[in-house]
Amino acid sequence: IAGITQAPTSQILAAGRRMTLRCTQDMRHNAMYWYRQDLGLGLRLIHYSNTAGTTGKGEVPDGYSVSRANTDDFPLTLASAVPSQTSVYFCASSLQPDGNTEAFFGQGTRLTVV
Amino acid sequence: QKEVEQNSGPLSVPEGAIASLNCTYSDRVSQSFFWYRQYSGKSPELIMSIYSNGDKEDGRFTAQLNKASQYVSLLIRDSQPSDSATYLCAVRVNTNAGKSTFGDGTTLTVKP
Repeated sequence: IAGITQAPTSQILAAGRRMTLRCTQDMRHNAMYWYRQDLGLGLRLIHYSNTAGTTGKGEVPDGYSVSRANTDDFPLTLASAVPSQTSVYFCASSLQPDGNTEAFFGQGTRLTVV
Repeated sequence: QKEVEQNSGPLSVPEGAIASLNCTYSDRVSQSFFWYRQYSGKSPELIMSIYSNGDKEDGRFTAQLNKASQYVSLLIRDSQPSDSATYLCAVRVNTNAGKSTFGDGTTLTVKP
């Protein structure tokens, strides 16, 4: 089934640890995104990638890094987790970075930093 | 001022009624507008997109766009309990690397 897959679905992480959230899509979409969703704050963009080999910073990039080595994968890394990074993380993709193309979302990763 | 603002909610309507969800945006060059539905504990899913002024209808859903007033709305006719969810408005400036900005969402409850 075509779509976008995130792993893990949930994780409890000790503060200071390094963690990579995985995201893979098989729709051959050019653009991919990482959002975090916190109660009352909606979806906030962390990083994005318009095409393989390029990345950009979103609204809340501090403490996170991404890479886009190929079209399908867009991992998000927390170098040293802090409790304020407790959130639900959504990966998304769209066919093109511009124009009238909507985003498709993964199922989310619920991360708790203790 | 937030770039995208939605009714603070929660919004409660009886089954069969029309639910009206509103969204305003601040960037006048915004070109693409999306409504996503998000059930509790689930990921957002697209239900409507609109790019031109006027109305766009899809089944029980109608999106309305007024670029002069920087306003986009979603009407849900004959509301059903299964429509109970949080509705997210997203706005994209197509020259800004395709990044969409989301509102905080409006939670809708349809009571049987």
